[in-house]
Amino acid sequence: NAGVMQNPRHLVRRRGQEARLRCSPMKGHSHVYWYRQLPEEGLKFMVYLQKENIIDESGMPKERFSAEFPKEGPSILRIQQVVRGDSAAYFCASSPTRQGGETQYFGPGTRLLVL
Amino acid sequence: DAKTTQPPSMDCAEGRAANLPCNHSTISGNEYVYWYRQIHSQGPQYIIHGLKNNETNEMASLIITEDRKSSTLILPHATLRDTAVYYCIVRTNRDDKIIFGKGTRLHILP
Repeated sequence: NAGVMQNPRHLVRRRGQEARLRCSPMKGHSHVYWYRQLPEEGLKFMVYLQKENIIDESGMPKERFSAEFPKEGPSILRIQQVVRGDSAAYFCASSPTRQGGETQYFGPGTRLLVL
Repeated sequence: DAKTTQPPSMDCAEGRAANLPCNHSTISGNEYVYWYRQIHSQGPQYIIHGLKNNETNEMASLIITEDRKSSTLILPHATLRDTAVYYCIVRTNRDDKIIFGKGTRLHILP
């Protein structure tokens, strides 16, 4: 019973390039959440998605960041024109239902380094 | 902002019980207490949650005071692998996102 999977685990990009982070939720889970953890800081919520829908993007930066969760395939967090301040660990979590308060299960994260 | 207060760090001897406190004095009647931990360089790991009754699972026990203003996570026999940052979180059954505070950095001493 595989857990939440994220890839790549480590990603290095130069300033101005694009970063694509992928998240495959646990089997049977149709709700995905993205969180960001800056160095030496706590996790901050970014976005919550269901299949083909963005439910809550209140934590997403207004520019350069986008997320999707297509009908088929993993959820993608996309960062365009990366800057050094985007260097962080990005974690994805999933839950089985829309019920608020549902336990979220986290993946191992993608560590993005922007040179 | 997080609705919980935790000590920034704690030490515990290996093999002893680790008791991690959490204050949530403004907790509402429909808010659950959740605990997660984050071992270095890994994703957060769910530990346990409860509403008002004490809870126990294979990882830990959760003791919630009668007035629900505070709780304690108990790791009964701490090992070196329990070294992590422990987050106490309150959420309603309407909350989608988790709001993480700074947590408690637990050091298990050999």
